[in-house]
Amino acid sequence: DTGVSQDPRHKITKRGQNVTFRCDPISEHNRLYWYRQTLGQGPEFLTYFQNEAQLEKSRLLSDRFSAERPKGSFSTLEIQRTEQGDSAMYLCASSWQGDTQYFGPGTRLTVL
Amino acid sequence: QKEVEQNSGPLSVPEGAIASLNCTYSDRVSQSFFWYRQYSGKSPELIMSIYSNGDKEDGRFTAQLNKASQYVSLLIRDSQPSDSATYLCAVRTSYDKVIFGPGTSLSVIP
Repeated sequence: DTGVSQDPRHKITKRGQNVTFRCDPISEHNRLYWYRQTLGQGPEFLTYFQNEAQLEKSRLLSDRFSAERPKGSFSTLEIQRTEQGDSAMYLCASSWQGDTQYFGPGTRLTVL
Repeated sequence: QKEVEQNSGPLSVPEGAIASLNCTYSDRVSQSFFWYRQYSGKSPELIMSIYSNGDKEDGRFTAQLNKASQYVSLLIRDSQPSDSATYLCAVRTSYDKVIFGPGTSLSVIP
């Protein structure tokens, strides 16, 4: 399977803990995006990379969120000191340049 | 004004009818437009992309784009119960970032 993969699929954590998610994009895609989605809403843009460069980060994103794509392949999204409001589906997508994005299955985060 | 807006749902249509989903966007320079379908608990999957004014057809789906009116729509002909899902409009803005609308929930009644 050469689609976008995400790990883990589900994460339950206690408030105040740190969590890290991984995304592996489609291999020939140079762009990688992170979105957050809550129930009844569309995906909310968090950040995106072109190769290893982080080109934009949402102003809505607090300093507790950080993302990396060190070798221009897989990416990680870390949330420090999680809060209950961080509970959501975290979606990763990849594309070639700004063309069609293909989404991974998502990581569902529950903060207790 | 939100960057991408969609008609509020939920939208219910009988099986076999045409479902019409609408989307407006605020960035006049946007050039790429996408419709995604999202089933409950799943990630979005691409239905169609459209880049030029006019209609684009793919099977039972037709996307329509009017850049002057900053409007894009999706028609689903011969709606099937399996089309019941949330439909997301997405727009690639002049900042090269893809923004999604809130989605419209469609229910096709057998």
